[in-house]
Amino acid sequence: DQQVKQNSPSLSVQEGRISILNCDYTNSMFDYFLWYKKYPAEGPTFLISISSIKDKNEDGRFTVFLNKSAKHLSLHIVPSQPGDSAVYFCAASEMSGSRLTFGEGTQLTVNP
Amino acid sequence: DAGVIQSPRHEVTEMGQEVTLRCKPISGHDYLFWYRQTMMRGLELLIYFNNNVPIDDSGMPEDRFSAKMPNASFSTLKIQPSEPRDSAVYFCASAPGTGYEQYFGPGTRLTVT
Repeated sequence: DQQVKQNSPSLSVQEGRISILNCDYTNSMFDYFLWYKKYPAEGPTFLISISSIKDKNEDGRFTVFLNKSAKHLSLHIVPSQPGDSAVYFCAASEMSGSRLTFGEGTQLTVNP
Repeated sequence: DAGVIQSPRHEVTEMGQEVTLRCKPISGHDYLFWYRQTMMRGLELLIYFNNNVPIDDSGMPEDRFSAKMPNASFSTLKIQPSEPRDSAVYFCASAPGTGYEQYFGPGTRLTVT
């Protein structure tokens, strides 16, 4: 049972344009959501997070949107840069200090 | 801060051999997590500790896998005996008191032939 799903295995965008990565979840007990970025041969690095009491969180070029009724979150990167090319994982947690459930990841490629 | 440190970075071993993966979490972090990443199953949690105590080991695939955390600055994941299907990248992560935002190590790529 895949509780966190990223339906797009890959996404390609032009430098300067917006990248939108999507994530759906099924577990209504999830109350905290995170995005991680992973480069080859490195561990995932934390990017941005959002609590279920919010619907938007912004950090520089990165914004995460949460739609609880649709059980959907998205990560917007604007403007996209070639250095953003990486695999992006969506993750969710039921409570502080518990397991993170990860999506399958989306490979983002930003073309110069 | 050096971040989460894992060793070795690469391990190649023969089926049946014992494998020990090591992790040093970020100082001051209360939580430590072991993950495995494969093409088929993605990134899956194996076990996690809080203040050196195992909290949830339901992700450990079978008895061949064991993990310990003898102190706040060291943890091991052991596979005995190893099998080819254990080939994967194993990540260690640590988190501060809230436990939400986990910091990952660079991973150990294990190949069992």
